[in-house]
Amino acid sequence: EAQVTQNPRYLITVTGKKLTVTCSQNMNHEYMSWYRQDPGLGLRQIYYSMNVEVTDKGDVPEGYKVSRKEKRNFPLILESPSPNQTSLYFCASSLSDSPYEQYFGPGTRLTVT
Amino acid sequence: AQSVSQHNHHVILSEAASLELGCNYSYGGTVNLFWYVQYPGQHLQLLLKYFSGDPLVKGIKGFEAEFIKSKFSFNLRKPSVQWSDTAEYFCAVTEFGNEKLTFGTGTRLTIIP
Repeated sequence: EAQVTQNPRYLITVTGKKLTVTCSQNMNHEYMSWYRQDPGLGLRQIYYSMNVEVTDKGDVPEGYKVSRKEKRNFPLILESPSPNQTSLYFCASSLSDSPYEQYFGPGTRLTVT
Repeated sequence: AQSVSQHNHHVILSEAASLELGCNYSYGGTVNLFWYVQYPGQHLQLLLKYFSGDPLVKGIKGFEAEFIKSKFSFNLRKPSVQWSDTAEYFCAVTEFGNEKLTFGTGTRLTIIP
């Protein structure tokens, strides 16, 4: 089944404790992206990647890092999480010739205390 | 920078009522337009899309949307809603040739049986 998977689905952590949210897709998509969803703000793009070893900042990259060492994986790293990073995070992927038709993962609800 | 406005934050309708959700964007050039739906507890799914051609596009589950270039709008419609349409709806836009997908803030739709 074609899908985007994220782990963990739920995470409660404390300020400053490094964490990684994994994202993996099995559709051989070149384009991958991370969003955060906050009430009243919709979805905002954090980082995106057009292909392996190619990443770029989205609208709200501060406090996040990403890497794209393999085509299927695009982990989101929070080196020192803070409470304002409490949010619902979505990973998405698509073909590079149609980066607009994005397939979304199930979401990761992160709480930073 | 492009922006997307969804002025209806929360819409409450009875079953069988007609639906229209507004979406306006700010970019003056060629755009690609999308509506995504997020059912409670689920990830975003593509409802319909407009790239070119007939400005009236039909999507899944009886939804349709009309692109009116002169009004910079892409409103979502359904003639008769069902309780199962309860969800959050997001309009999204990309500029032609730009991979960045910009989302509106979303409209929460509640259908009363």
